Amino acid sequence: DTAVSQTPKYLVTQMGNDKSIKCEQNLGHDTMYWYKQDSKKFLKIMFSYNNKELIINETVPNRFSPKSPDKAHLNLHINSLELGDSAVYFCASSPGKKGSGELFFGEGSRLTVL
Amino acid sequence: DAKTTQPPSMDCAEGRAANLPCNHSTISGNEYVYWYRQIHSQGPQYIIHGLKNSETNEMASLIITEDRKSSTLILPHATLRDTAVYYCIVRVKGGGSEKLVFGKGTKLTVNP
Repeated sequence: DTAVSQTPKYLVTQMGNDKSIKCEQNLGHDTMYWYKQDSKKFLKIMFSYNNKELIINETVPNRFSPKSPDKAHLNLHINSLELGDSAVYFCASSPGKKGSGELFFGEGSRLTVL
Repeated sequence: DAKTTQPPSMDCAEGRAANLPCNHSTISGNEYVYWYRQIHSQGPQYIIHGLKNSETNEMASLIITEDRKSSTLILPHATLRDTAVYYCIVRVKGGGSEKLVFGKGTKLTVNP
């Protein structure tokens, strides 16, 4: 079984559309994250949730809205997609309330905005 | 911003030890050093972490200098599958929680 799974793996869409990426972890971890890796390969944290509560919100545009229906799921919804949103989005989880340094990453969701 | 400095790239012969250096001169006393790697476009993979001295697990060894301003990740017998970007990270606190800030990493190429 995949520990951290993301869907879809690939997503191609037009500018202005709204799309969602789903993430699920079966590790029983309390904390989940979204990271963005752009074309220059920089990995940047976007959000962190602990047991459905938002604990880290980096300077991400309001068009990005994470949702955590339960502690095993953290979905990312993006409104009004822009060209600059093209990237690979990684979901991750870690144990502990504040997270630990040991993150388990999913395989990524490659978003291409045309 | 990342608090670590790593060489952008390194090469290593298959079967030899790969020693990846990292500088973290502004590290605080209670901050840990973490190492991750990212193979091609896969999700990053945790390798090891430590606070001081040395740590070893089934994947690698981590040697942290006495002043904690630098560290070295050692892959004792590098294989072709160890070709990846290796990230040295100092875990930082922000917004009431702790987070990992990834830098540019070192691209390690293991050659046959």
